[in-house]
Amino acid sequence: QMTQFPSSLSASVGDRVSITCRASQNIRTALVWYQQKPGKAPKFLIYGASTLQTGVPSRFSGSGSGTDFTLTISSLQPDDFATYFCQTTVGAPTFGQGTKVDIE
Amino acid sequence: DVNLVESGGRLVQPGGSLRLSCAASGFRFSSFWMTWIRQLPGKGLQWVANINEDGSQTYFADSVRGRFFISRDNADNSVFLDVNTLSVEDSALYFCVRMFCSRQTCYTDAFDVWGQGTVVTVSS
Repeated sequence: QMTQFPSSLSASVGDRVSITCRASQNIRTALVWYQQKPGKAPKFLIYGASTLQTGVPSRFSGSGSGTDFTLTISSLQPDDFATYFCQTTVGAPTFGQGTKVDIE
Repeated sequence: DVNLVESGGRLVQPGGSLRLSCAASGFRFSSFWMTWIRQLPGKGLQWVANINEDGSQTYFADSVRGRFFISRDNADNSVFLDVNTLSVEDSALYFCVRMFCSRQTCYTDAFDVWGQGTVVTVSS
């Protein structure tokens, strides 16, 4: 089971934003992150907990191992307002509930 | 361009059946595990089923095992999800997705290419 928090947050352009994902068991670094905008399919951002997919801006970063993980956006841009999901790749793929990032 | 296009979703009565299809293009389809993921209305994502490269291995979420079946046709670059004994709880947007391969390795349960989804609505 993956627990993600907060479920939503409000922020401004330029803010540093962090989203947490907690696994119910040790998953080492078997974690990925996605971004989803309304009416669109999720976009693959990060794998192995911290490796950016090709083309993902460097303001995105991922960290953590074991049970606690963080997605950080160093300087929020207008294109980043979206919902973010974590997902473990250990066992049956399981997603967090999502964190909606909206404009403050 | 790498592309996945789902079809087959529609309104169906409880207890009914459907076949969802996904047409792939722009990549070597027979080299990739393929997966179906669903998104319940206004809610999160749920893994449904996946199938290995040649179709010899299939896996299902507990909530659909015995009711849903996944298959593929590598000659036609297609993957299918047969959904049976549908209930209201199966109403969702169903995505077809491809496993991710980095330069070093492939991750059967990380998904870098998603279709636009097809909507299944179960209602009387």
